[in-house]
Order: sequence, then C-alpha cells, then structure tokens
Amino acid sequence: AQSVTQLGSHVSVSEGALVLLRCNYSSSVPPYLFWYVQYPNQGLQLLLKYTSAATLVKGINGFEAEFKKSETSFHLTKPSAHMSDAAEYFCAVSDRGGNQFYFGTGTSLTVIP
Amino acid sequence: DADVTQTPRNRITKTGKRIMLECSQTKGHDRMYWYRQDPGLGLRLIYYSFDVKDINKGEISDGYSVSRQAQAKFSLSLESAIPNQTALYFCATGDGSYEQYFGPGTRLTVT
Repeated sequence: AQSVTQLGSHVSVSEGALVLLRCNYSSSVPPYLFWYVQYPNQGLQLLLKYTSAATLVKGINGFEAEFKKSETSFHLTKPSAHMSDAAEYFCAVSDRGGNQFYFGTGTSLTVIP
Repeated sequence: DADVTQTPRNRITKTGKRIMLECSQTKGHDRMYWYRQDPGLGLRLIYYSFDVKDINKGEISDGYSVSRQAQAKFSLSLESAIPNQTALYFCATGDGSYEQYFGPGTRLTVT
C-alpha cells in the first residue's frame, strides 16, 4: 500500500522567504513521487515529479524537491517566496505502473507581503 | 480551448436525484480518472479507466458509477445522490508518463 503524509495543513511565509512544504511517503516498492499545485478555482497542475532519476528534481516556477530514501521524504522548497505562490500544494505517490495515484491532504501556502 | 473539460462546473441537486458529471478531453490520452476533493482530505480516486473496455474501481467507488463512452469521454454518475457526496469533483487524464492533467472541476452540492 502507498500513501503520503503532508505535515502542516497551513503554512505562512513572508514574501522573499524560504518556502518548505513537507511530504513523507510510505511505499512497499520504490515510489514515483509528485508535487501538484492548485490555484483558487482551478484544477491541479504538475510542479515536478521524481521517477528514479536524479534525487534532486527541479520543477516549474523555481520549485524543487529532493527525494531522500533514508528519510522517506520528498519535501518541496523554493528559495524565495512570491505572492503568486499562494495556493494549495499536494504531494502524491504512484506505483511504478502509474495505475493509481495517492494524494496527500494538501498544504495551503499563504505569502505575506 | 481547454484540454480537459468538465460539465457542469457547478450543480446543486436534491437528495435521491440521479446526476451525471461529464468529462471530455482533447489530449488523446487513453487513461482517464475521476477524483473527489474534500477539505482536509485531499483528492481521493473514485474510478479510473485505461481504455474504453477497461474500468476500475478506486479507493471510494461506493455510490458512484462510470461510463467510458469513447476514448475522449468519461462520465461519472451518482445514482441516488446523498449529502455526503457534496464535494469538488475532478476529472484527469494521463498518457502513462506518470503525469496527470486535470480538468477545472465540478462543484456538486447535494441538499
């Protein structure tokens, strides 16, 4: 069985500060991991994905995430928050067949001017 | 035009009514998915389909049914709606590359 846990349902950062959104996974097989972003009244869009290549994955809008097998983590970071980063962020895991995706409960990011 | 469209975008219905949510895609993907999103629960998979003849139950399929009318169309039905089916419903497509493409969502309220 696979699952992801997102620590912190709400995170607030000041504009220009580091963004860190936490995700831990549970998987009986090597996982594929994803971060999606959801802006208000929109569907989800992919930020980045880990599919067993480089452990440090770079995504869109300056976000990146590092796969750490020893910590079963896939935390999302951005060095400097922008007001436009305010959104809901979801971590997700898939098996290697890509048959099903399991999403975390989401983290709402607020950026304070 | 959007690659994944959902109709209706908003719907209010009464308990016991039958309702259908429709999803269409122009991406040419074989894989299609239906999720529901609830506050604090994230997205949960209802059904998924890998082609017209392949339909699979997801995590929370009870109370729902689906129809894959064509490669591009995947409909979700609530045979007898109940209030705890009030949620935001998303359709998504996939091409097997582990990326999913989401529609804009349908907000369903069951009174």
